[in-house]
Amino acid sequence: DGGITQSPKYLFRKEGQNVTLSCEQNLNHDAMYWYRQDPGQGLRLIYYSQIVNDFQKGDIAEGYSVSREKKESFPLTVTSAQKNPTAFYLCASSTIMSGRRPNTEAFFGQGTRLTVV
Amino acid sequence: AQKITQTQPGMFVQEKEAVTLDCTYDTSDPSYGLFWYKQPSSGEMIFLIYQGSYDQQNATEGRYSLNFQKARKSANLVISASQLGDSAMYFCAMRDASGTYKYIFGTGTRLKVLA
Repeated sequence: DGGITQSPKYLFRKEGQNVTLSCEQNLNHDAMYWYRQDPGQGLRLIYYSQIVNDFQKGDIAEGYSVSREKKESFPLTVTSAQKNPTAFYLCASSTIMSGRRPNTEAFFGQGTRLTVV
Repeated sequence: AQKITQTQPGMFVQEKEAVTLDCTYDTSDPSYGLFWYKQPSSGEMIFLIYQGSYDQQNATEGRYSLNFQKARKSANLVISASQLGDSAMYFCAMRDASGTYKYIFGTGTRLKVLA
């Protein structure tokens, strides 16, 4: 079955530690995204990538890093520089627009809930 | 700049009745897409419906329809015959053709269906 897999589902981090959230897709999508969701709030874009070895900062990239070494994989590292990392993290992927029509929806993983202890 | 606004933090609806969730947007690009997602308490994001800026007719998908008013820059989601399973967070999102290919989301509306 095609889809996006995020792991782990729950993650606990100690103060000062870096942690990496995994995101893998087998949908052959070019674009991948990381969003952060805080309770009662919408999704805020952290990083996004259109092609391998290329990615751009979103609205809240500080304290996060990503890599895109393979088309299928887009891991997110939450560094110790992120002061308030406790949140729900969602990874998504999509096709690039065809014919300048942005008509393809994003597909999401199940999310990773990160808690700082 | 792109922006999505959802002004209803929470809504209640009686089972079997219809409900409208509001969404307004802002973009300078003439080519854009509008999307609605449902997020149950499990956290997964479920795609519901899509409306393109060039589409002449309002989109419909089963019990979901999108009331698209381009001049007013609004894309309201209408859920007909509400069911208890419709209780969830609902997010409006936009993607334009400016080349950045990113999706911008609103803050969401929490819908509670009452028995």
